[in-house]
Amino acid sequence: NAGVMQNPRHLVRRRGQEARLRCSPMKGHSHVYWYRQLPEEGLKFMVYLQKENIIDESGMPKERFSAEFPKEGPSILRIQQVVRGDSAAYFCASSPIPAREQYFGPGTRLTVT
Amino acid sequence: TQLLEQSPQFLSIQEGENLTVYCNSSSVFSSLQWYRQEPGEGPVLLVTVVTGGEVKKLKRLTFQFGDARKDSSLHITAAQPGDTGLYLCAVLLTGGGNKLTFGTGTQLKVEL
Repeated sequence: NAGVMQNPRHLVRRRGQEARLRCSPMKGHSHVYWYRQLPEEGLKFMVYLQKENIIDESGMPKERFSAEFPKEGPSILRIQQVVRGDSAAYFCASSPIPAREQYFGPGTRLTVT
Repeated sequence: TQLLEQSPQFLSIQEGENLTVYCNSSSVFSSLQWYRQEPGEGPVLLVTVVTGGEVKKLKRLTFQFGDARKDSSLHITAAQPGDTGLYLCAVLLTGGGNKLTFGTGTQLKVEL
């Protein structure tokens, strides 16, 4: 059973460009969570989604960031007009039910130049 | 102020040594988890502790949940280079949905 998959693993964007990060949850998992890891801040929750629904986006910056988890296909975290401060590792996790045990992907390292 | 404070922040030891890392809070939790994160990878769940005073063992790793469910410790016996990584404690907050709140982390390096 394949684990959580994220792509790309590394992404370089210039300031002002858009970044799209993709996450395919484990098979049978319909709950997806996105986290961001900054060296000075640690690992922080961003958003929790179920298929076609955003359940909790309390950790998402108010502007430029959006997330979706469509009926078909991977979950997408989209960052518009990236700035240097968006450089971080972005992790996706999934679970089969709303549960404390979440399984993490390998992450996408975003570098904004 | 961090909800979960971990100590020490950094730890560098020789292979074969024992070590303990701590996760402390002033809040009470229904459960607590420990993760290990290796460079370039995502966190991997090691254990979930639920009951106050609970002790769980995973090979050379021993996890304990404080009696008051406010703190936890991770003890590693005879550390090996493969134990190197970032150790994170995490909790699900009551009423906080399903979002994990992570501790500040302990970066462990085990050298030959």
